[in-house]
Amino acid sequence: DTGVSQNPRHKITKRGQNVTFRCDPISEHNRLYWYRQTLGQGPEFLTYFQNEAQLEKSRLLSDRFSAERPKGSFSTLEIQRTEQGDSAMYLCASSLDGQANTGELFFGEGSRLTVL
Amino acid sequence: KNQVEQSPQSLIILEGKNCTLQCNYTVSPFSNLRWYKQDTGRGPVSLTIMTFSENTKSNGRYTATLDADTKQSSLHITASQLSDSASYICVVSYNNNDMRFGAGTRLTVKP
Repeated sequence: DTGVSQNPRHKITKRGQNVTFRCDPISEHNRLYWYRQTLGQGPEFLTYFQNEAQLEKSRLLSDRFSAERPKGSFSTLEIQRTEQGDSAMYLCASSLDGQANTGELFFGEGSRLTVL
Repeated sequence: KNQVEQSPQSLIILEGKNCTLQCNYTVSPFSNLRWYKQDTGRGPVSLTIMTFSENTKSNGRYTATLDADTKQSSLHITASQLSDSASYICVVSYNNNDMRFGAGTRLTVKP
């Protein structure tokens, strides 16, 4: 399967703990996006990378959220000192430059976070 | 303000029936509009894309329309099947690189 891969698929953690999610995009895609989705809502944009450069991070929800894409391939999204309000599905998507302008994103299956 | 509104929020229909989902947007300058299907617990998958000059486009039993003047789009599903049960999300691209997602319409098809 050469689609977007995310792991872990599910994560249950206690409030105050740190969590990290990983996303492996489609190999030739240079753009990578992170979204958060809560129940009954559409995905909410968090940040995106073009290759290793993080081009937009102002919509990260707080300074507890950070993302990296060190070699321009896989990316990680870390949430520090988790709160119950962080419980959500975290979706990763990738695209080629040209496809991004047409809005075609290829999504992973998501990582569901539950904070107790 | 750049927004995308979808209606209805949820819809229940019987298998074999048709339905229409609506998407209204205020984003500007408009680039294109895409409908995604999201099965429960899965990531969204693109169904169709509408550009400024296109009024209608079909993909099997799915037909999307776009009225760029009124900033409205619809997704019509014909002869619904149980597998059509999912959330349908309208995504509008603008400013050449920005996107706004609607909250989605949750469709349930019952036998």
